[in-house]
Amino acid sequence: DTAVSQTPKYLVTQMGNDKSIKCEQNLGHDTMYWYKQDSKKFLKIMFSYNNKELIINETVPNRFSPKSPDKAHLNLHINSLELGDSAVYFCASSLAGAAVDIQYFGAGTRLSVL
Amino acid sequence: QKEVEQNSGPLSVPEGAIASLNCTYSDRGSQSFFWYRQYSGKSPELIMFIYSNGDKEDGRFTAQLNKASQYVSLLIRDSQPSDSATYLCATQKDTGNQFYFGTGTSLTVIP
Repeated sequence: DTAVSQTPKYLVTQMGNDKSIKCEQNLGHDTMYWYKQDSKKFLKIMFSYNNKELIINETVPNRFSPKSPDKAHLNLHINSLELGDSAVYFCASSLAGAAVDIQYFGAGTRLSVL
Repeated sequence: QKEVEQNSGPLSVPEGAIASLNCTYSDRGSQSFFWYRQYSGKSPELIMFIYSNGDKEDGRFTAQLNKASQYVSLLIRDSQPSDSATYLCATQKDTGNQFYFGTGTSLTVIP
């Protein structure tokens, strides 16, 4: 039973298209994150939501829009895809208020923009 | 200056040896420190966390923290080929705050 699940696992699309990535966690966590990992393995946070409220919004083009319908879900919508958006996108979750903030990652979505 | 710096490697050690992975961080306010392991094509998984100065041991893994020097390390004793992966160091200022990850060190354990 997967704790943090993302769909799709692979996404190949053309420049200019709009696409969404979905994330769900069944750990009962209240904080969820989106990270982007580039080809050099650098893992950079994009957004963080706590109980459906945006708490971290890094310098990310406004073509990226996260949506959290409830605390178990955090989706990422990307408009007008560009070549530079090609990367692996990881969703993660953690339990706020815990003594140590351990993040659990989904399997990742490998996005290729052609 | 990056928040978290790691030597990208690759680091190669023979099977059974000790692998030593190092990480420095720039924010003196960082409170929690994490080591994640990432196999090729997979997601990061937590190996250890540490928040007090000194050593913390868990099986073959030992994390070392020196806040004065802003330095965190991970030692892997009796390295196995299955330890071959990229190891990511991460810091956090306080629970609920942003994580900062290093670019990772690629480790290869040679049988």
